Amino acid sequence: AAGVIQSPRHLIKEKRETATLKCYPIPRHDTVYWYQQGPGQDPQFLISFYEKMQSDKGSIPDRFSAQQFSDYHSELNMSSLELGDSALYFCASSLGRFTDTQYFGPGTRLTVL
Amino acid sequence: GDSVTQMEGPVTLSEEAFLTINCTYTATGYPSLFWYVQYPGEGLQLLLKATKADDKGSNKGFEATYRKETTSFHLEKGSVQVSDSAVYFCALKPGGYQKVTFGTGTKLQVIP
Repeated sequence: AAGVIQSPRHLIKEKRETATLKCYPIPRHDTVYWYQQGPGQDPQFLISFYEKMQSDKGSIPDRFSAQQFSDYHSELNMSSLELGDSALYFCASSLGRFTDTQYFGPGTRLTVL
Repeated sequence: GDSVTQMEGPVTLSEEAFLTINCTYTATGYPSLFWYVQYPGEGLQLLLKATKADDKGSNKGFEATYRKETTSFHLEKGSVQVSDSAVYFCALKPGGYQKVTFGTGTKLQVIP
């Protein structure tokens, strides 16, 4: 079965640079979620989108923005990167915004030097 | 706010031993409860879930029962294998909301 696809899988950036992470949800899934998992920590919810509209917002820094496109894929844009942004970024998708189960992608590991 | 507390790791067991990873939660209303597993270098995989009180989720020999009276969702497996070595996350999602709240994770290491 098709799963959530994230690209790139690994990304290395310098401080103050920008980064764009992409997420392709499971086919027909209309809701996308972004989570950040710091080293040795639990995943923290950042933001979610349903039918191309922001649906819920968590602890997402103002330097980050995200959007969902007409084909339901989503991009997380990160600017003025800081060392503390180094983390594993997960995207998840679901069919419907209040469904119980979110299916997670493999994650993008961002390293900020 | 909502929170999940799970036992600290790492937990080291011999192959075929019995596994229990404790998880308790605090939430308003009636959340759905989940166990996710993260194998080394990989993403999060849903292991099992329960959506209402007294439901039992089960998968791959793992099981957990939604206990509303004790606000718990302990993970159990009767006989662990080396391949079960991973980090296990207990999580909750309130009904009508999108955010999943995770516990801090418990690392399990199974030795032959």
